[in-house]
Amino acid sequence: NAGVTQTPKFRILKIGQSMTLQCTQDMNHNYMYWYRQDPGMGLKLIYYSVGAGITDKGEVPNGYNVSRSTTEDFPLRLELAAPSQTSVYFCASSTGTSPFRGQFFGPGTRLTVL
Amino acid sequence: EDQVTQSPEALRLQEGESSSLNCSYTVSGLRGLFWYRQDPGKGPEFLFTLYSAGEEKEKERLKATLTKKESFLHITAPKPEDSATYLCAVQAGGTSYDKVIFGPGTSLSVIP
Repeated sequence: NAGVTQTPKFRILKIGQSMTLQCTQDMNHNYMYWYRQDPGMGLKLIYYSVGAGITDKGEVPNGYNVSRSTTEDFPLRLELAAPSQTSVYFCASSTGTSPFRGQFFGPGTRLTVL
Repeated sequence: EDQVTQSPEALRLQEGESSSLNCSYTVSGLRGLFWYRQDPGKGPEFLFTLYSAGEEKEKERLKATLTKKESFLHITAPKPEDSATYLCAVQAGGTSYDKVIFGPGTSLSVIP
């Protein structure tokens, strides 16, 4: 199993550009999540999904969109990139929320917006 | 407001020097507390889940404990390969989605 994979690993965007961060998991997990991690801060939840076709906002959803057309894939779309979106983005998956056996994280995408 | 804090922010130990990391939390309806290890440039790696006060979990040189307000990650005789950032997270229940809140982490350096 590859686990959770993310592409790209690094990206530099100009202000106002758009991009999609890709996330795929091969563990047949129903739950998938997108987090951002800023220096000195805890991981912040952007969006999550409890299954194909179902998504919901997390703590910091503004400026982002997601879709979940399959169990395996959960792409994150950035529209009109802003410097405040400079961060490291992590995708994660889990079997469910109860009992919670922990999340499996991808390697991350480091995004810089200039 | 649900909150997770971790201390110290950074910890530097000599190889073999045991110590503890602290995770304090205030959440409504704790469903579980989790410890993760994060190496530089990588995603967090799940270590433990603790569900109730008094529970303990062990893995090699690490032992996690839980009380009603905090959790400790005890590191016994650490080795340089234990150097990493350790993240604590809690699962708060009572909503349509059981929210997971992460602390800022403790950066551990173990010097040979």
